[in-house]
Amino acid sequence: SAVISQKPSRDICQRGTSLTIQCQVDSQVTMMFWYRQQPGQSLTLIATANQGSEATYESGFVIDKFPISRPNLTFSTLTVSNMSPEDSSIYLCSVGFGGDQPQHFGDGTRLSIL
Amino acid sequence: QKEVEQDPGPLSVPEGAIVSLNCTYSNSAFQYFMWYRQYSRKGPELLMYTYSSGNKEDGRFTAQVDKSSKYISLFIRDSQPSDSATYLCAMRALLDAGNMLTFGGGTRLMVKP
Repeated sequence: SAVISQKPSRDICQRGTSLTIQCQVDSQVTMMFWYRQQPGQSLTLIATANQGSEATYESGFVIDKFPISRPNLTFSTLTVSNMSPEDSSIYLCSVGFGGDQPQHFGDGTRLSIL
Repeated sequence: QKEVEQDPGPLSVPEGAIVSLNCTYSNSAFQYFMWYRQYSRKGPELLMYTYSSGNKEDGRFTAQVDKSSKYISLFIRDSQPSDSATYLCAMRALLDAGNMLTFGGGTRLMVKP
C-alpha cells in the first residue's frame, strides 16, 4: 500500500471563496482519484487525476468547479471553486497501482462552508 | 435502483457476537470485491479484497462472494468494540481500465462492551 497525506485535514470557508486540497503519496502510483463523501453518505467519484493531462470527470462534476492538477506520480491537488454551503463535505484522495490492485484512501479533508 | 445495495444499519451487537454484513449488486461485470472499514473522521481503510467467487479469511474476518446470486458478505467473528465503524463494500469490473469503484452506501456497526 502507500502512505497518503491530505492537507488541510479540515477547513471552514466563506461562501464564494475557493480552497485547494493537496494529496501527497510516499511512493509513485499509477492512478489518483478524488471522491466526495457527503455527511452520512457513501463515496462519489469526482474525477480521475491524470498525470500530464486533463482530469477525467464523472457525470455531474465539471472542471470549472473542481479543477484538478497532477504534476507528477506522487502529488495531486483538487480545488473547490466558488464554494456554497452545498459543497460542505469530506473530500477524499485515493490512489491505485494499476492492474488488479485495490485503491487506498487518505483521511480526507473536512470542508464546511458558511 | 442503485447498482450496489447495502443495509445502512445501524447494526448494534454485543461484544463477542458474530457479525454479518452484506451487499447485493446488479452489474454482472463486477469481478473485484472489496470491504473498507471507515472510522469516524478517518478515510476508508482496505479490509478485504477478493477476486471472483469464493471465500477469503484474514484473522477474525471472512469475505464471501457469491457471483451467481450477486451477493457478497463480510463476517466478523468475536466482534470487539474496536470494530465499531462504518463498513463499505466496493466493486469493480474486470475490464475497467479506469479502475473505477462502485460503492455501497455503508453499514454502521456498533459493538457494545
